Amino acid sequence: DTGVSQDPRHKITKRGQNVTFRCDPISEHNRLYWYRQTLGQGPEFLTYFQNEAQLEKSRLLSDRFSAERPKGSFSTLEIQRTEQGDSAMYLCASSLANGNQPQHFGDGTRLSIL
Amino acid sequence: GNSVTQMEGPVTLSEEAFLTINCTYTATGYPSLFWYVQYPGEGLQLLLKATKADDKGSNKGFEATYRKETTSFHLEKGSVQVSDSAVYFCALSENTGNQFYFGTGTSLTVIP
Repeated sequence: DTGVSQDPRHKITKRGQNVTFRCDPISEHNRLYWYRQTLGQGPEFLTYFQNEAQLEKSRLLSDRFSAERPKGSFSTLEIQRTEQGDSAMYLCASSLANGNQPQHFGDGTRLSIL
Repeated sequence: GNSVTQMEGPVTLSEEAFLTINCTYTATGYPSLFWYVQYPGEGLQLLLKATKADDKGSNKGFEATYRKETTSFHLEKGSVQVSDSAVYFCALSENTGNQFYFGTGTSLTVIP
């Protein structure tokens, strides 16, 4: 069990560019979650997958955001036409499918928009 | 709806002091409750959990009891150490586990 890994750890880009982040969950976990965390705040839910199916999306997830989990293993989160307000830490978590199982978090990708 | 409210920080304590971080929740059903800890530059780590009323979660000297009557899940530790300095997040999960709701976090600094 190597834990949840996220890549890159830090991304700096100019406004208007597209960015893509990757998350590799714990191998036996079939649920995968994306959160956004800004300074001084708790994580805010963006979306989650059970296996390859995207089952829920937050209203925070504008149409510039898209997430995929094509084979039910790793996931990508893409932000198109980035804006200043997208600067945040993007966290990925995974868990087993039972309702009261804890989520295990990666170290996050910090996005900075210039 | 579901939400979590934590006491605001920052909290500064001397080593070996007693710690309480308050957490109250609002939920439509019977959620599971969690405390996570986040060290600088790292992701969140599960500290402890409780899945039903009157359960007590404990880990590394930290404890929290699920109180349905007061809708609370306060975090306590009898004697804090410098290494406990971090941000602590209270969270709840509906039993479907579709989504976690986090509090805003409480920053703790322990000074020698």
